[in-house]
Amino acid sequence: QQKVQQSPESLIVPEGGMASLNCTFSDRNSQYFWWYRQHSGEGPKALMSIFSNGDKKEGRFTAHLNKASLHVSLHIKDSQPSDSALYFCAVSIPSTGGYKVVFGSGTRLLVSP
Amino acid sequence: DTTVKQNPRYKLARVGKPVNLICSQTMNHDTMYWYQKKPNQAPKLLLFYYDKILNREADTFEKFQSSRPNNSFCSLYIGSAGLEYSAMYLCASSPGTSYEQYFGPGTRLTVL
Repeated sequence: QQKVQQSPESLIVPEGGMASLNCTFSDRNSQYFWWYRQHSGEGPKALMSIFSNGDKKEGRFTAHLNKASLHVSLHIKDSQPSDSALYFCAVSIPSTGGYKVVFGSGTRLLVSP
Repeated sequence: DTTVKQNPRYKLARVGKPVNLICSQTMNHDTMYWYQKKPNQAPKLLLFYYDKILNREADTFEKFQSSRPNNSFCSLYIGSAGLEYSAMYLCASSPGTSYEQYFGPGTRLTVL
């Protein structure tokens, strides 16, 4: 059964600093990888996706995927207080009915002003 | 409009009583999901509809039921609530099972 583990559980970075979030998965059939962000009182919202090995950059956010080492990461450059939220790693694997998404338990990021 | 709506936002239920949660989306998405989220745990997939086909997770098969009377609406039904059902229930939709999911704000269910 697919397991998705995130580290650290919580992270505090100063405003303007770099935040690095990690995620490991267990199923080598995993195909699509997502980072979701959830602010208090809201549902999770997709931040970015990565489907191929290597880096993908979108503004201040960079995702890195290494399927061989079963690892995906998210790096937030120049962190802002508005980046404070709960971040989920989500991994899609082929399953009955299409693809099934398995989420990690999240990393809580606090950006201190 | 990329909004997924959930009603109610908060629900208080008694042990042994039924619970019905509602979700709606106007994006014409084929797929709708229900997740259960407890504090410090990952959102757990309970079931999802791809069009009219319902897929339920093996470990929650008997605990939750669902219906999707049309493309826009999906319900989650608990026949007899237990204390262990207290959680946040998140509904999501997507154009297909390999696409980004759009989440609603959740329904916080408290069973007493």
